[in-house]
Amino acid sequence: KNEVEQSPQNLTAQEGEFITINCSYSVGISALHWLQQHPGGGIVSLFMLSSGKKKHGRLIATINIQEKHSSLHITASHPRDSAVYICAVRPNSGGSNYKLTFGKGTLLTVNP
Amino acid sequence: NAGVTQTPKFRVLKTGQSMTLLCAQDMNHEYMYWYRQDPGMGLRLIHYSVGEGTTAKGEVPDGYNVSRLKKQNFLLGLESAAPSQTSVYFCASQTGRLEAFFGQGTRLTVV
Repeated sequence: KNEVEQSPQNLTAQEGEFITINCSYSVGISALHWLQQHPGGGIVSLFMLSSGKKKHGRLIATINIQEKHSSLHITASHPRDSAVYICAVRPNSGGSNYKLTFGKGTLLTVNP
Repeated sequence: NAGVTQTPKFRVLKTGQSMTLLCAQDMNHEYMYWYRQDPGMGLRLIHYSVGEGTTAKGEVPDGYNVSRLKKQNFLLGLESAAPSQTSVYFCASQTGRLEAFFGQGTRLTVV
């Protein structure tokens, strides 16, 4: 079982819709990252969270450490938000806290 | 600031050929990583380095070697390329527990 599970795997939305992508993990962590990858492109870090909530523009990321769950929300989605969104966690055990464990990603397509 | 720069961006190799991928970062980060990304799988760690002159194996190190002779550079070598090494390779750097910075990726095809 993958330590980091994302849902859904694929998501299609209409422009303007509110989007939620979920990430669940099974290990204790010191931080969780949300990353964005456009088709054929590089990977960009959107957020790094260890508690609570962060907001940047139309993007909001939340984390519940007790429930081992994080969500990435996109308000007023736009076709340019179409990308793969990747959740990654930094385990806090055994000296591995500088490594990341990645989910498989969620492919978001926003149609005009 | 260029951030993390990978060269080359694309490459086609014949089976058995060798090549080196270069990752350079200008942020004075201690930690650097090489990942591969394959369809349907998350990013997998090949090798990593926690400082100049140090390297360590990740999840999928077989068939790859690395060197970190200078703090800003992390090289990934394929001594004898195999079709199974066809992938997109990403380099990343970070300082301690701070956020990670990724390169643009190298698309490698081994025929």
